[in-house]
Amino acid sequence: KAGVTQTPRYLIKTRGQQVTLSCSPISGHRSVSWYQQTPGQGLQFLFEYFSETQRNKGNFPGRFSGRQFSNSRSEMNVSTLELGDSALYLCASSIGTITDTQYFGPGTRLTVL
Amino acid sequence: GQQVMQIPQYQHVQEGEDFTTYCNSSTTLSNIQWYKQRPGGHPVFLIQLVKSGEVKKQKRLTFQFGEAKKNSSLHITATQTTDVGTYFCAGSNNAGNMLTFGGGTRLMVKP
Repeated sequence: KAGVTQTPRYLIKTRGQQVTLSCSPISGHRSVSWYQQTPGQGLQFLFEYFSETQRNKGNFPGRFSGRQFSNSRSEMNVSTLELGDSALYLCASSIGTITDTQYFGPGTRLTVL
Repeated sequence: GQQVMQIPQYQHVQEGEDFTTYCNSSTTLSNIQWYKQRPGGHPVFLIQLVKSGEVKKQKRLTFQFGEAKKNSSLHITATQTTDVGTYFCAGSNNAGNMLTFGGGTRLMVKP
């Protein structure tokens, strides 16, 4: 089975811009979660989607949003980028719930200038 | 909310020495998972512990889940340079709707 894929792998944006990241889960996996990873804060949970519905949400501002399509692919959007949004954004898929084994993608490295 | 603390943050060892990382939760967990992230890579699942007092082994790695299901540990015997990376624990709450990662322990092995 192919693993979780994320596009793009690297992205450079400037403050105030918006960005959309994409994630394709492992075939058959219906739960997709997004995490932000920074050196100082570790792995922070953003949100989880299941069957096109946001099922769980972390403690991030409304500038961070996401969606899931009928084929389980997911997108994450960050509007009005800030310097502090520079991070590795990881997508993880699992079979059914957020507490199942998480299979992570390679991540998208976002740099905000 | 649920908090998962992991210590130490960093550990330097000489190749061949043992290594242990500890994970403590503020609440009782349904289960705990361990992940390894190599430098420049992404977290990769290692193991899941579910039962109180459970101990599982994977070659030189020994994982334990505390009796109260609030703490866990990962012990590596005779470290090798291939063990380098950051080890994360992740605890699931009893409601099954939250997975909280610890801050990770970065292991560096000197050959």
